Amino acid sequence: AQRVTQPEKLLSVFKGAPVELKCNYSYSGSPELFWYVQYSRQRLQLLLRHISRESIKGFTADLNKGETSFHLKKPFAQEEDSAMYYCALKLGSQGNLIFGKGTKLSVKP
Amino acid sequence: SQTIHQWPATLVQPVGSPLSLECTVEGTSNPNLYWYRQAAGRGLQLLFYSVGIGQISSEVPQNLSASRPQDRQFILSSKKLLLSDSGFYLCAWSDGAGQETQYFGPGTRLLVL
Repeated sequence: AQRVTQPEKLLSVFKGAPVELKCNYSYSGSPELFWYVQYSRQRLQLLLRHISRESIKGFTADLNKGETSFHLKKPFAQEEDSAMYYCALKLGSQGNLIFGKGTKLSVKP
Repeated sequence: SQTIHQWPATLVQPVGSPLSLECTVEGTSNPNLYWYRQAAGRGLQLLFYSVGIGQISSEVPQNLSASRPQDRQFILSSKKLLLSDSGFYLCAWSDGAGQETQYFGPGTRLLVL
C-alpha cells in the first residue's frame, strides 16, 4: 500500500543548528516526492521536489530508494524556518498526492 | 497569474445542517482540482479530486460529496453535517497537463456544534 510516514510530530532546534525532517515512503512504482511547507497564517505551498534536485531556502532533500526515504535537511536552521512541513508522494499520472501527517519545526533563538 | 479562492473562511454550523463550500480558480483552464481535510495530528487527507467538469473521484467514504459544475469551480457539500466533519478544508489545483505542483487555497475552517 502507498504510504508516507513522518515519524516526528514536533522537532525543536536552536537557531544555527542542523535540522533533518524525516520522511519515509512505501510505493511499488517509481516514486516522485515533494516537500510542502505551511508558515504561520500562510497557505500550504511547495518547498521542493526531488525531481528538480534543487535547494530552496537552504533546504535540500535526497531521494534514497534503498532506504525509501526523502529526508529534508538544512545545515543551519533559521527562526523563519519555523513552520509545518509535509512530505508528499505523487501517485500515478493524475497528480494525486499522499501527504504525511506533517512535522512541526520550531527554531528557537 | 493563477489564483485560487475559497469561501467562506470560517463557518460554524449545527449538527444536521447542510454544507456548501466553494472553491474557484482563476487564470488557468482545465485544472485538476482537489479537496483535502487537514486535521490536527492527522495531516492532510485527500477527500475528492476532479480532472474535468462533472468528473469526481472520491478517496474515502464519508458524509461529504463534491461537484464540479464549471471548469474552475469545485464545491464540497453535505446534506447533514456530523460533529466529525469539523476541520480545516483545503482546495487545491494543479495543471491538468501533468505538472505535479499543487497550489492551495487559503482554506475554510468548519466547526460543527
